[in-house]
Amino acid sequence: DAGVIQSPRHEVTEMGQEVTLRCKPISGHDYLFWYRQTMMRGLELLIYFNNNVPIDDSGMPEDRFSAKMPNASFSTLKIQPSEPRDSAVYFCASSSAFRGRYTFGSGTRLTVV
Amino acid sequence: KNEVEQSPQNLTAQEGEFITINCSYSVGISALHWLQQHPGGGIVSLFMLSSGKKKHGRLIATINIQEKHSSLHITASHPRDSAVYICAVTFNYGGSQGNLIFGKGTKLSVKP
Repeated sequence: DAGVIQSPRHEVTEMGQEVTLRCKPISGHDYLFWYRQTMMRGLELLIYFNNNVPIDDSGMPEDRFSAKMPNASFSTLKIQPSEPRDSAVYFCASSSAFRGRYTFGSGTRLTVV
Repeated sequence: KNEVEQSPQNLTAQEGEFITINCSYSVGISALHWLQQHPGGGIVSLFMLSSGKKKHGRLIATINIQEKHSSLHITASHPRDSAVYICAVTFNYGGSQGNLIFGKGTKLSVKP
């Protein structure tokens, strides 16, 4: 298995632009998580899905952030409009169950200028 | 508030030394995870524990459920072990089951 695949690896965009991050989880995993990592706050959950259904989006900072999982093999995290404070590394992770191990993608480093 | 506390925050060791990183948490958990992140790199899952002890190569992870405490040990440390080690838990209640709650990480540097 190729693991959890995220794209792009790096994204530099101007403030106000729309940004879309993509994630392909491990086949057979029924949980998908989006995390954000910053120096100040460490790793934080943004949203997670179970069987493609959003379960907890309480970590989504505001309405500028949205996430979808149209099928078991693909998810997107969208920021519109982007702001400099959104600059961070965004990780996608998948898991087979509550008590299963988590597999992380390589992350997307987002810089908003 | 559910919290995960790690210590030390930073750790410098000489190659070959035995290293211990500690993690404590505040309420009942369903599982505890130890993760490794190299500089600029992705996050790798090292262990998932709900009780007892696990070993993989030079890495050993232990958990004491009664004391709400876990330790990660590295024997015969090597410069390639230099990374940030993150403790994370999934809680039984009071939050989103299945979601990882992270400690702030321990930055380990092993000098040759």
